[in-house]
Amino acid sequence: DIQMTQSPSSLSASVGDRVTITCRASQSIASYLNWYQQKPGRAPKLLIYAANSLQSGVPSRFSGSGSGTDFTLTISSLQPDDFATYFCQQSYRTPDTFGQGTKLEI
Amino acid sequence: EVQLVESGGGLVKPGGSLRLSCGASGFTFSSAWMSWVRQAPGWGLEWVGRIRRKSEGGTTDYAAPVRGRFTISRDDSRDTVYLQMNSLEIEDTAVYYCSITNTFGGIVAWGQGTPVTVSS
Repeated sequence: DIQMTQSPSSLSASVGDRVTITCRASQSIASYLNWYQQKPGRAPKLLIYAANSLQSGVPSRFSGSGSGTDFTLTISSLQPDDFATYFCQQSYRTPDTFGQGTKLEI
Repeated sequence: EVQLVESGGGLVKPGGSLRLSCGASGFTFSSAWMSWVRQAPGWGLEWVGRIRRKSEGGTTDYAAPVRGRFTISRDDSRDTVYLQMNSLEIEDTAVYYCSITNTFGGIVAWGQGTPVTVSS
């Protein structure tokens, strides 16, 4: 299985900060990388698919980049609603696998 | 509006069986790839499996921990996808989410989740 490693596991930041979360795949996954946001007690929400495509309805302060094995999710200016846990997922090869998550805290 | 509503979760003893259902609305169900993803309490997300549309054979894929014990099926006449879970183990305890997968593998919509607890 392809292993997905996110860093950091947790991150403290403030409203207005620029934040970057990284995700590394154990082998090349081309651009088959997706990012999700999850809040406590809620289902995840797709933010970015295909490494850098913004899902409809997602604010433009979210962006994704990367290809191959190294990927980043960037939030350009943190808003109060952005404090949540973020997961990456590879969909290049079955089984799909997720990163362990990054908890973004104030 | 896309809606996915799971049902069928609950408490079951190890070795038991459970069938989850997911009713869909607001999109063309027969054209969708449907997936199940689970999340154990306090843990991350784990992909369980997916089923392709009938026009692509309706074939299925499963994660290794559930292969041979879980079966995903679909009834396009009812806009419903199922997850049959047999030989349940304590490690299967989780919230199970039904979801829609886009052609790139991104999960574009999720149900609210249904909890499954495997305990004696």
